Amino acid sequence: GQQLNQSPQSMFIQEGEDVSMNCTSSSIFNTWLWYKQDPGEGPVLLIALYKAGELTSNGRLTAQFGITRKDSFLNISASIPSDVGIYFCAGQSNAGNNRKLIWGLGTSLAVNP
Amino acid sequence: GAVVSQHPSRVICKSGTSVKIECRSLDFQATTMFWYRQFPKQSLMLMATSNEGSKATYEQGVEKDKFLINHASLTLSTLTVTSAHPEDSSFYICSARRPDTDTQYFGPGTRLTVL
Repeated sequence: GQQLNQSPQSMFIQEGEDVSMNCTSSSIFNTWLWYKQDPGEGPVLLIALYKAGELTSNGRLTAQFGITRKDSFLNISASIPSDVGIYFCAGQSNAGNNRKLIWGLGTSLAVNP
Repeated sequence: GAVVSQHPSRVICKSGTSVKIECRSLDFQATTMFWYRQFPKQSLMLMATSNEGSKATYEQGVEKDKFLINHASLTLSTLTVTSAHPEDSSFYICSARRPDTDTQYFGPGTRLTVL
């Protein structure tokens, strides 16, 4: 099935550094979502974006819905050890009742204390 | 946010038995729930969309007779893996779509091991 291009695939950074990851798509979406998944757990919603150009923050996290509606980025500022995990982007169109999520392959983040 | 629970969190069963996994949305009513499967180091793979009061919609390649889905109420969907085999061993995750935000919230997942 369709998947989003998410990069980077993995990152290894020092505590306190800022992190940036992004997702691109060949098709447009009405909603962009960013989730974090810890090992053995389900994904947890971090930020939801509903409008092209929207910039939304959640604590140290900031995400933007690209103007073209085909991309989104997530920034994490001043990383801490508990930021470790896998971050997934997901896009959703408004077509149809089911409105499935299209997923990126994930960015694995490791933080060195 | 929203809270979605899944039960059991972990199950080990013998080959040939059936296993039922429950997914509940605890603080909102969900007309639509989703069932995913996730292999190690991979993204989530949608198996089926569960609509309250109607038949589930299965993704291509997912056997509906093997993975039975029931969504009998606005807060509960169940996935039954019938006649499980070792290749069915995986991490199964459900989600519920919150209608006011049109956003999916995920359960904590169920680790199924078939011996």
